[in-house]
Amino acid sequence: QKEVEQNSGPLSVPEGAIASLNCTYSDRGSQSFFWYRQYSGKSPELIMSIYSNGDKEDGRFTAQLNKASQYVSLLIRDSQPSDSATYLCAVNSASGGGADGLTFGKGTHLIIQP
Amino acid sequence: EAQVTQNPRYLITVTGKKLTVTCSQNMNHEYMSWYRQDPGLGLRQIYYSMNVEVTDKGDVPEGYKVSRKEKRNFPLILESPSPNQTSLYFCASSLSRLNEQFFGPGTRLTVL
Repeated sequence: QKEVEQNSGPLSVPEGAIASLNCTYSDRGSQSFFWYRQYSGKSPELIMSIYSNGDKEDGRFTAQLNKASQYVSLLIRDSQPSDSATYLCAVNSASGGGADGLTFGKGTHLIIQP
Repeated sequence: EAQVTQNPRYLITVTGKKLTVTCSQNMNHEYMSWYRQDPGLGLRQIYYSMNVEVTDKGDVPEGYKVSRKEKRNFPLILESPSPNQTSLYFCASSLSRLNEQFFGPGTRLTVL
């Protein structure tokens, strides 16, 4: 059974600070890693995708992947109140059998305090 | 505009009354998937499709059916809905199974 673990939070961060979100996964065959942002009652919105070890930056967002430690993280710099949402970590695997596609963590609820 | 659409967005129905939730994408994606989202359980995959006429079960397929007769459409069918299928449903699509998935706006289903 593939598992993706996230701290549910809430994670409270002051406006302008760096928010750090973490995720671990169980399947060593995982190949694709994604961060989605979800506002209450809305659909998940893709924030970042990362496929290889290291850092990937896009604007205020940086995704970090460490396959040896089975760990992926998301950093949000200069946090804004509009960043307050639930952040979902999703992992995909090339391994066959059973369910296919993304396995989601249950999400971290992030609150940016003005 | 590239998008995934779902209809209806909201639906209240009664136990046993067959229903279909439609999903359509205009991005020529091969891979499509259905998820349900429940409080405390997160997003769980119901069914997925690698391409036309190719579908397979996800983690929670019981009580659901799907079909993929055209590349752009992937309807979710509940033959005999039950109250435990009350949930928020999302359709998603991607170029392939390993690429990022794009989600539709969601369908909130209540089965009485």
